[in-house]
Amino acid sequence: GAGVSQSPSNKVTEKGKDVELRCDPISGHTALYWYRQSLGQGLEFLIYFQGNSAPDKSGLPSDRFSAERTGGSVSTLTIQRTQQEDSAVYLCASSLDSGLAHYEQYFGPGTRLTVT
Amino acid sequence: AQSVTQLGSHVSVSEGALVLLRCNYSSSVPPYLFWYVQYPNQGLQLLLKYTSAATLVKGINGFEAEFKKSETSFHLTKPSAHMSDAAEYFCAVSPSGGSYIPTFGRGTSLIVHP
Repeated sequence: GAGVSQSPSNKVTEKGKDVELRCDPISGHTALYWYRQSLGQGLEFLIYFQGNSAPDKSGLPSDRFSAERTGGSVSTLTIQRTQQEDSAVYLCASSLDSGLAHYEQYFGPGTRLTVT
Repeated sequence: AQSVTQLGSHVSVSEGALVLLRCNYSSSVPPYLFWYVQYPNQGLQLLLKYTSAATLVKGINGFEAEFKKSETSFHLTKPSAHMSDAAEYFCAVSPSGGSYIPTFGRGTSLIVHP
């Protein structure tokens, strides 16, 4: 079946512009996660959605970052007034039900964001 | 609170040699543990997971890992490296209760020499 998809695969933007990154999770997966991956830094948790519950935004680095998930499926991560330090690969993952923590995550291929 | 430490940002082995990637964790509750692999320009893919059943866990591509509670370790091994094993490997810990958000290590890049 279809895996997690993300678009665009690459995005180059000028400093100060806003960007939107999209994630399509696996159908039926109730949990969705966004991570940021910078070179040599591992995965930095950004935000987590679980069903209809309020998202866990504890990982968002600043108020320039926001995300929404419509209809419990597609999610969009928005970065306003981009800065050069926002350059990274943004990964999305979904899982069947994070109410049971041992369900593994399925990752998309990521969006490589470059801020010039 | 939970954390993961992967010792060695790079590990280099010869083809056919033993692969050993180290992972130590801390967790205030019994953990679930995962190893993921990331090939260039791809997302992460699950190799194996420990969820409090057998302490020796076998995964895909000939990898296995052993959960050692006394050492708080979950090292990843493979008896014989292949060139195709060259990738980035991430260890992750998730608590068995409470927050569902896993914590990832910084990753170890496996380099395989012919």
